[in-house]
Amino acid sequence: IVMTQSPATLSVSPGERATLSCRASQSVSTNLAWYRQKPGQAPRLLIYGASTRATGIPARFSGSGSGTEFTLTISSLQSEDFAVYYCQQYNNWPTFGQGTRLEIK
Amino acid sequence: EVQLVESGGGMVQPGGSLRLSCAASGFTFSSYWMAWVRQAPGEGLELVANIDLDGSEKYYVDSVKGRFTISRDNAKNSLYLQMNSLRADDTAVYYCARDWRYFDASGGYCDYWGQGTLVTVSS
Repeated sequence: IVMTQSPATLSVSPGERATLSCRASQSVSTNLAWYRQKPGQAPRLLIYGASTRATGIPARFSGSGSGTEFTLTISSLQSEDFAVYYCQQYNNWPTFGQGTRLEIK
Repeated sequence: EVQLVESGGGMVQPGGSLRLSCAASGFTFSSYWMAWVRQAPGEGLELVANIDLDGSEKYYVDSVKGRFTISRDNAKNSLYLQMNSLRADDTAVYYCARDWRYFDASGGYCDYWGQGTLVTVSS
């Protein structure tokens, strides 16, 4: 299953809302996770089951969607949120999107 | 606290071998699938291999089949990746990750990650 993320780069001001998209080449139900990767660090799980926040993830992160279309929304961007975000389907052999770089506007 | 600590990375010539290790702590290791995920320089993430609770099921991405072997030692809380016939395109940071999945699920997500170990294949 091919995962396609858009946009490749998103420029948003601190305190504003960011909306990231992820599309699957075939239905993955809600078997979809989101990760954030800061420079020089390992990825961190944010969302699983398309909409469930992982342990310790603040409420400003929310996920939605099912089937082939998914969205990660980050309300009120903080400095630590400027990073690369990956979606991953795990309906079968897990595959990742190519990432969306969230940068400061 | 869940901790995953990789070791064994380094520089190797094309055709050479390396064995990566991952020491796990802070959870019941034998109760979870485990995985190796890699990230080439400046690139995205790719699941390389995963392994079930007792090591009886192992799965690989096509590009490493026949060259890499994933294994685990539950008595030592350790995960391994034996990499043979290494190629330049195997150059990447290799992450050890805990693979969370429902019983009998076809796939899982990575809920904890190690810090990664760099493998460089170059002559």
